[in-house]
Amino acid sequence: QKEVEQDPGPLSVPEGAIVSLNCTYSNSAFQYFMWYRQYSRKGPELLMYTYSSGNKEDGRFTAQVDKSSKYISLFIRDSQPSDSATYLCAVDSNYQLIWGAGTKLIIKP
Amino acid sequence: DGGITQSPKYLFRKEGQNVTLSCEQNLNHDAMYWYRQDPGQGLRLIYYSQIVNDFQKGDIAEGYSVSREKKESFPLTVTSAQKNPTAFYLCASSPRDGYGYTFGSGTRLTVV
Repeated sequence: QKEVEQDPGPLSVPEGAIVSLNCTYSNSAFQYFMWYRQYSRKGPELLMYTYSSGNKEDGRFTAQVDKSSKYISLFIRDSQPSDSATYLCAVDSNYQLIWGAGTKLIIKP
Repeated sequence: DGGITQSPKYLFRKEGQNVTLSCEQNLNHDAMYWYRQDPGQGLRLIYYSQIVNDFQKGDIAEGYSVSREKKESFPLTVTSAQKNPTAFYLCASSPRDGYGYTFGSGTRLTVV
């Protein structure tokens, strides 16, 4: 079993929809959780990070961590075509990141 | 502006050749990393360095080598021993006591 599992997609939704991206992880000791966005042929960029359980909101993006079920989510409201990218979740293990496979998201105009 | 610069953006290698990918950062970050990304797969760690003159193997170090002679620089050599080197290579850095990586724009290596 991988330490971080993420459905690679692709996930295709119409513009304006609410998008839900998810990861599961295996080690309950993980404390920091991150979401990166990667456009085609570019390096990933840090989108959001959360510590322990709870929600964190930044504009149209909300990151959510449920430590009891070892589940992390990223919600995108009012999705735009410019949100089309691959979204990677990552968890921090002693200052090194363990990555999910990334979910390719396509927002259709 | 602070950031990470990877060069070249595209690189073509003949069978049996060694090639070196450049990675330079001006963020004053202590740690640097090299990842390989293949289509449909996540990031796989090749090597990482947490301090100058020290580096550690990642999950897929075979066929690769690195050096860390300066804090700003962490070049990756893809040797002829790497049997399937065609991939997208990403360099990243992070502060030693911080969270979150900053990535370069990547180098796409193709064997011809």
